Amino acid sequence: DIQLTQSPSFLSAFVGDRVTVTCRASQGVSSYLAWYQQRPGKAPKLLIYGASILQSGVPSRFSGSGSGTEFTLAISSLQPEDFATYYCQQLNSYPYTFGQGTKLEIK
Amino acid sequence: QVQLVESGGGVVQPGRSLRLSCVASGVRFSSSAMHWVRQAPGKGLEWVSIISYDGSNKYYADSVKGRFTISRDNSKNTLYLQMSSLRDEDTAVYYCAREDSSNWDFDFWGQGTLVTVSS
Repeated sequence: DIQLTQSPSFLSAFVGDRVTVTCRASQGVSSYLAWYQQRPGKAPKLLIYGASILQSGVPSRFSGSGSGTEFTLAISSLQPEDFATYYCQQLNSYPYTFGQGTKLEIK
Repeated sequence: QVQLVESGGGVVQPGRSLRLSCVASGVRFSSSAMHWVRQAPGKGLEWVSIISYDGSNKYYADSVKGRFTISRDNSKNTLYLQMSSLRDEDTAVYYCAREDSSNWDFDFWGQGTLVTVSS
């Protein structure tokens, strides 16, 4: 199985800051990587697919990059609604594993 | 407007069975691969199972293989998860999700249904 490791697991930042989250895969997943945002008590929401393609309707302050085994989610100019937990997911091979999550909190 | 609505969750004793359902609307259900994903209380997301658009292919996480069965009825736009020999560690919110096979992502998710395994 492909393991995904996100770093950091917890992140504290101010509104207006730029933050990045890294997702490392135990083996190459090409660009079959997606990022999701999950707010408390809610279902995950797709942000990025194909490692770098912004899902329709997602604000342009979100961006993704990387391929192979190392990927990054960046959020520029954090807004209050961005404080949530973020997960990466590989869709290269079954099982479609998720990273352990990165919780983004307001400082 | 796409909607995925799960039902069937509840409290069940260890070793018993439960069947979850997910009804889809506003989406081309019969041409979509569908997944179950679960989330234990306070924990991260865990992929559980996939069924291909026509039901011919199914895959399971090792943690549920041999105990859970995924199925679908395209005439009813409904996805199922039959769970048997339930264990304490199966306690979680269970989400159904649609796979966008063009973009390789899960673009639509249900609101989730809580399964609690407890004696």
